[in-house]
Amino acid sequence: KNQVEQSPQSLIILEGKNCTLQCNYTVSPFSNLRWYKQDTGRGPVSLTIMTFSENTKSNGRYTATLDADTKQSSLHITASQLSDSASYICVVSAGANDYKLSFGAGTTVTVRA
Amino acid sequence: DTGVSQDPRHKITKRGQNVTFRCDPISEHNRLYWYRQTLGQGPEFLTYFQNEAQLEKSRLLSDRFSAERPKGSFSTLEIQRTEQGDSAMYLCASSLEWAANTEAFFGQGTRLTVV
Repeated sequence: KNQVEQSPQSLIILEGKNCTLQCNYTVSPFSNLRWYKQDTGRGPVSLTIMTFSENTKSNGRYTATLDADTKQSSLHITASQLSDSASYICVVSAGANDYKLSFGAGTTVTVRA
Repeated sequence: DTGVSQDPRHKITKRGQNVTFRCDPISEHNRLYWYRQTLGQGPEFLTYFQNEAQLEKSRLLSDRFSAERPKGSFSTLEIQRTEQGDSAMYLCASSLEWAANTEAFFGQGTRLTVV
């Protein structure tokens, strides 16, 4: 069973609107949680990294939140642009030196004009 | 370009043939990882190198798969006797070291299609 679950699987939004993506994880022990953006046919690109002591981190129009108690994270996209169309993947690392990242299946976001 | 580069970007091969992919990590990164990603799924860990030493292999890496990093720089991933189930995107990533906030940088991936 995947230890990182994302929702929704996909969503369509109009340009300029906001959206929020969800990530629930069961990975333990927990070291950090990352959000990646992956354009079709390309490798993932990091957006944010949060350790258990951080509950919010922003990168431009992207804001990630983390609740380590409930093991939930969200990624909020503000004022979406056409270039935001991509898959957004939640990734959890277990333990300070664990290199076997646990990836969610991703949420596919489509921004329409 | 100082990012992680992978070659080729796309590979179509007939079932039963051998294929080899190459990954050039960011030059000062001592850690290199291979992942496999199938359509609609997140990447899955295959194997990991620290310098030239292959420290762990996933159970996903069957005997037909072999990875090397002979000089601690670039790495190759070879698949022998390819099967249709091997069709996937093969991603390489590198990092300087693995600590709580260490960034892992991914390459563009090699998309393999076995026909």
